[in-house]
Amino acid sequence: ETGVTQSPTHLIKTRGQQVTLRCSSQSGHNTVSWYQQALGQGPQFIFQYYREEENGRGNFPPRFSGLQFPNYSSELNVNALELDDSALYLCASSLFQGAYNEQFFGPGTRLTVL
Amino acid sequence: AQKVTQAQTEISVVEKEDVTLDCVYETRDTTYYLFWYKQPPSGELVFLIRRNSFDEQNEISGRYSWNFQKSTSSFNFTITASQVVDSAVYFCALSENFGNEKLTFGTGTRLTIIP
Repeated sequence: ETGVTQSPTHLIKTRGQQVTLRCSSQSGHNTVSWYQQALGQGPQFIFQYYREEENGRGNFPPRFSGLQFPNYSSELNVNALELDDSALYLCASSLFQGAYNEQFFGPGTRLTVL
Repeated sequence: AQKVTQAQTEISVVEKEDVTLDCVYETRDTTYYLFWYKQPPSGELVFLIRRNSFDEQNEISGRYSWNFQKSTSSFNFTITASQVVDSAVYFCALSENFGNEKLTFGTGTRLTIIP
């Protein structure tokens, strides 16, 4: 069983640019969540996708957007990058079955905005 | 609104000592889940335990144990006979809705085990 993978591992961008981060869910999972973890902080929920539709969003501006594909892989897009967007971005996948659904986290993408 | 507080920013103990990591949570819901995750330097969050709000029974798993007390809104984590491999950042988290896995994390406690 393949775990959650994320690419790239590290990324450096400059302020104002756009970035796309990718996540491959664990096999059989239909839900993916994205979290932002700033240095020294706990992860913060960005949004969740279930069957290609957004299913909940945290307190993040619209320049943070996402996609989930039919194969349940996912992208996180951030436009107009700001210095404060520098963080570790984590995705987590799960299989929604109505009751609690265990989330499995990927290793993250570390984004640096200069 | 839900909130998780981990007041201990950093803890250092000598190997083989016991250590307790504190977690206090706030929620308006009567049904919720509590979690502990471990984050080693590699960055990946490693699931340790999940506890639902209806189950206050303490749990022990090897050297790890968890004490859930609804009366004080606490979910503390104890490592017995600590080892160097336990060095990591530990996060407590809360999920308010069954079936909705949005997790609210605390700020974490960095645990260093000194050989």
